[in-house]
Amino acid sequence: NAGVTQTPKFRILKIGQSMTLQCTQDMNHNYMYWYRQDPGMGLKLIYYSVGAGITDKGEVPNGYNVSRSTTEDFPLRLELAAPSQTSVYFCASSYTSTGAQPQHFGDGTRLSIL
Amino acid sequence: TQLLEQSPQFLSIQEGENLTVYCNSSSVFSSLQWYRQEPGEGPVLLVTVVTGGEVKKLKRLTFQFGDARKDSSLHITAAQPGDTGLYLCAGAQGNNRLAFGKGNQVVVIP
Repeated sequence: NAGVTQTPKFRILKIGQSMTLQCTQDMNHNYMYWYRQDPGMGLKLIYYSVGAGITDKGEVPNGYNVSRSTTEDFPLRLELAAPSQTSVYFCASSYTSTGAQPQHFGDGTRLSIL
Repeated sequence: TQLLEQSPQFLSIQEGENLTVYCNSSSVFSSLQWYRQEPGEGPVLLVTVVTGGEVKKLKRLTFQFGDARKDSSLHITAAQPGDTGLYLCAGAQGNNRLAFGKGNQVVVIP
């Protein structure tokens, strides 16, 4: 089973460039999430979606945009890359949003902004 | 402000020893999850605790949810090198989110 797939695995960007981090899941989950993980800082929620066509801001949304046109895909867009966006980005999905349900994570995209 | 405080941040022990790590908060959670993350991978769920005072066992790992549902602990008996990893606790929030702690980095030396 593929689960949650993130591409690319690694990327180096120059300041001011833009890019899209791809995330797709094959579990028919309604809820999807984007997190960033900085060293020693745990996971911070960037954006989340409760279903196709519905997205909402998380804890650290500035500098990012998302869309959810299908149940399977939840891309994260960086419009003007800044050094502060250097991080590891994780996409996750869950069947429901209740605390009793696990979130399934991809293996991450390691992004460096130089 | 960090909702969930995990301690210790880093712990290194010899194979065969026991260890306990903690996840504390001033907030009440309807449930709390523990994940383990290995280098280069995403977190993987270990357990979910829902009821205050609940104890769950997963082989050599014992998880406890505090009576007031504000804190949790993870105890590993006879640690093995395969237990090495970053242990993350996450509390369920009413607005469809999980709040993660910073993690407990555990290293088990053979």
